[in-house]
Amino acid sequence: NAGVTQTPKFRILKIGQSMTLQCTQDMNHNYMYWYRQDPGMGLKLIYYSVGAGITDKGEVPNGYNVSRSTTEDFPLRLELAAPSQTSVYFCASILTDRATEAFFGQGTRLTVV
Amino acid sequence: EDKVVQSPLSLVVHEGDTVTLNCSYEVTNFRSLLWYKQEKKAPTFLFMLTSSGIEKKSGRLSSILDKKELFSILNITATQTGDSAIYLCAVIKAAGNKLTFGGGTRVLVKP
Repeated sequence: NAGVTQTPKFRILKIGQSMTLQCTQDMNHNYMYWYRQDPGMGLKLIYYSVGAGITDKGEVPNGYNVSRSTTEDFPLRLELAAPSQTSVYFCASILTDRATEAFFGQGTRLTVV
Repeated sequence: EDKVVQSPLSLVVHEGDTVTLNCSYEVTNFRSLLWYKQEKKAPTFLFMLTSSGIEKKSGRLSSILDKKELFSILNITATQTGDSAIYLCAVIKAAGNKLTFGGGTRVLVKP
């Protein structure tokens, strides 16, 4: 059981480049989330999804886009990368609205130079 | 706007001390509050609290929720160096399952 899988684990981008952070879960979870975590800080919600075809903004959505075409996949797109987007990105999922914990991927460390 | 605030931001204790971490929230349609421990990588789940006044315990860790005063505490007794981590509090809303985290408390336990 793979759980929540994020790729890549590490990436260095140049300013202005674009990339997609992949997140896949094999637990048939309805709810999926993207967070960023700056050094020594908590997790800030970027976008989340309550099911395929439905997404909503979190606290810090600017500079990012998401899509949810299937239950399993929730990719995060960075357009025109900026140094302020240097961070660790975590994807998480929850089964239903009665579920307990959120399951996390292992994170993607992104550096924009 | 939903708010989850943790205090203190950080603390340093010695092995054997007791630690109390605080989490207050302002969230509409509250469902549950979660506590996580984060060491080097992804957060790991500790507790989920839904009802007021019911203590959850796991070994030396315990937590309780007060839905009237909108806060939760996480206690760690007889701390060990392995308890050094960032402790994160998060709130799930009933509508849409939006999951919002606080800023975390960094705990350092010295030998």
